[in-house]
Amino acid sequence: EAEVAQSPRYKITEKSQAVAFWCDPISGHATLYWYRQILGQGPELLVQFQDESVVDDSQLPKDRFSAERLKGVDSTLKIQPAELGDSAMYLCASSLTGTFTEAFFGQGTRLTVV
Amino acid sequence: QKEVEQNSGPLSVPEGAIASLNCTYSDRGSQSFFWYRQYSGKSPELIMSIYSNGDKEDGRFTAQLNKASQYVSLLIRDSQPSDSATYLCAGRLSNTGNQFYFGTGTSLTVIP
Repeated sequence: EAEVAQSPRYKITEKSQAVAFWCDPISGHATLYWYRQILGQGPELLVQFQDESVVDDSQLPKDRFSAERLKGVDSTLKIQPAELGDSAMYLCASSLTGTFTEAFFGQGTRLTVV
Repeated sequence: QKEVEQNSGPLSVPEGAIASLNCTYSDRGSQSFFWYRQYSGKSPELIMSIYSNGDKEDGRFTAQLNKASQYVSLLIRDSQPSDSATYLCAGRLSNTGNQFYFGTGTSLTVIP
């Protein structure tokens, strides 16, 4: 069964350090999403890609976060420097393009900043 | 105002009862809606999608969409303890990017 692959599953980092997350979407899915989910809240969209282009990064804290999808397939989300408030679950999802398409999530990366 | 609003609960129902989860949305042009189930510490899992007014049934789950009232609901019949989870409502915006936005989720507990 096709799955969205994410790594690492868990990451503990010290504040002010850099951290990176990787996502490989379901094959053929042109749309890729990165979400941040704080405990007890719904997922918050950080960035959405259509192929290699950014569709929406309005909620991405661009002073410390960056995201790329250079070849329109896998993607990397980076935080530098990490802050204590960045502790959350980082979720990657992918979908086919269009209004009537379903998005599927990877297992997520649980980030703890100490 | 958030794009998608949910009652955060918690909602408790006895085993075998019907659980009713509700969601409202603000973007009148949105055309597609989704329900996800999320167990504690896990990622969201798609349960159902609904695109047309009315009901859509899949096993014990029924999704309902009322575009005039901007209202989406999920009914879970014969609730089981394994249904205990947080249920997330999501909608796609009607703009060019079709961004996918989530509500805050409703926590459901099914009591044996």
